[in-house]
Amino acid sequence: DAGITQSPRHKVTETGTPVTLRCHQTENHRYMYWYRQDPGHGLRLIHYSYGVKDTDKGEVSDGYSVSRSKTEDFLLTLESATSSQTSVYFCAISDGGLQETQYFGPGTRLLVL
Amino acid sequence: KQEVTQIPAALSVPEGENLVLNCSFTDSAIYNLQWFRQDPGKGLTSLLLIQSSQREQTSGRLNASLDKSSGRSTLYIAASQPGDSATYLCAVNAGNNRKLIWGLGTSLAVNP
Repeated sequence: DAGITQSPRHKVTETGTPVTLRCHQTENHRYMYWYRQDPGHGLRLIHYSYGVKDTDKGEVSDGYSVSRSKTEDFLLTLESATSSQTSVYFCAISDGGLQETQYFGPGTRLLVL
Repeated sequence: KQEVTQIPAALSVPEGENLVLNCSFTDSAIYNLQWFRQDPGKGLTSLLLIQSSQREQTSGRLNASLDKSSGRSTLYIAASQPGDSATYLCAVNAGNNRKLIWGLGTSLAVNP
C-alpha cells in the first residue's frame, strides 16, 4: 500500500471554527489531491498540488484553502467551517507518470455541527 | 463537459456468478480510464488502468475493456466471491492536469 496517512481520521467541530486536515505521504510523489465524497455526488476535487507551493483549484474549492510547503505534506484548511462541509475527505497522490494511478489515503470524516 | 455514468447503481448476485459493471463517458477524448474499489468506511484502491490506446487490461479475475468510440468501459468479474462485495468506481482522466472525472459507483453485494 502506498504510504499515505491522513489526520485526524475523525473530527467534530462547530460552525464558524477553522479546521485543518493533514495529508502526509512517504512516496515522494509530485501530485497530491484533496477530494470530498458525498452521497449522490461521488468524489469531487477540491484542490490539487503539482509541486511544492504549486496548487490549483478543483471543482468545489469555495470555502477551502490548501498549502504545500514540503513534498510530503498537503494541508486542507476550512477557514470557517459550515454544515455543508460535513463530508468525508480523501487525500490522493500520483507520480504524474504515464500510468498516473492515484493512491488514496484512508479518509477523514468531518462533522460540522 | 465530461460526464461519467455507472449502471447499475447497485447489484446483488449469488457467489460464483460472472458479472459485468458498466461505465459510460460523454467525451471520447480521454487519456486513460481507471477502475477503483472502495470498501465501506475505507479509502479507494486502484484495480485497473486502461490507457486510451489500449482495449483491455486484466488482473486476476478482473478484466476491464475500453471502447473510446462508443464512450464505454466494462469491468468483468469472474467467479464472484463474497470478498468482492464493495463499491466499484470508474474514473476518466481527460488529461487536464491529471484530474479525474468520477462516476457515482456501483455497489456490489455477492451473497454466499
